[in-house]
Amino acid sequence: RKEVEQDPGPFNVPEGATVAFNCTYSNSASQSFFWYRQDCRKEPKLLMSVYSSGNEDGRFTAQLNRASQYISLLIRDSKLSDSATYLCVVNMQEGGNKLVFGAGTILRVKS
Amino acid sequence: GAGVSQSPSNKVTEKGKDVELRCDPISGHTALYWYRQSLGQGLEFLIYFQGNSAPDKSGLPSDRFSAERTGGSVSTLTIQRTQQEDSAVYLCASSLDQRENEQYFGPGTRLTVT
Repeated sequence: RKEVEQDPGPFNVPEGATVAFNCTYSNSASQSFFWYRQDCRKEPKLLMSVYSSGNEDGRFTAQLNRASQYISLLIRDSKLSDSATYLCVVNMQEGGNKLVFGAGTILRVKS
Repeated sequence: GAGVSQSPSNKVTEKGKDVELRCDPISGHTALYWYRQSLGQGLEFLIYFQGNSAPDKSGLPSDRFSAERTGGSVSTLTIQRTQQEDSAVYLCASSLDQRENEQYFGPGTRLTVT
């Protein structure tokens, strides 16, 4: 089993739609969780951290379910510019910084 | 301020040759990471430097791969006797320190082994 698993997609949605991605992780001792965004042929960039209580940043909402070992990302009112690959990232190492990246979920927002 | 820079941006080499990839982290960042990303795949951790501590080399796929970080700043990833399966984008990232979770990535070096 992979340490971090994501549905590769692609998710094809119209502008204005709400879309959600899930990600599961294998290590129950994992410490912290993130969503990164990667545009085509570009480097990954941090989108948001995922906190235990859930957190929201504008149109983006991230949630963590430790019991089931998954995290989610919800995007509301999708924009064309949201088209990208969304990487689920898990820090496996307490006191350190060993990030494990999922393979990513492709989102395509169409007009 | 300047972000993470990498050079070259593209490298085409013949099988069996050695290559060196360079990374300049953000000034003041003590942690530096190398990853590689094959087409359609996730990022694969290679090696991690933190200050003057011994690097975490647990991700290096074979002894043909090595990396150095001189003076706690610039890092070089060396691949000896390159193979076609080494073809990938090699990404470098830095963070303020090992406890800082946000990693800032460079644009990557696209390596093609023919």
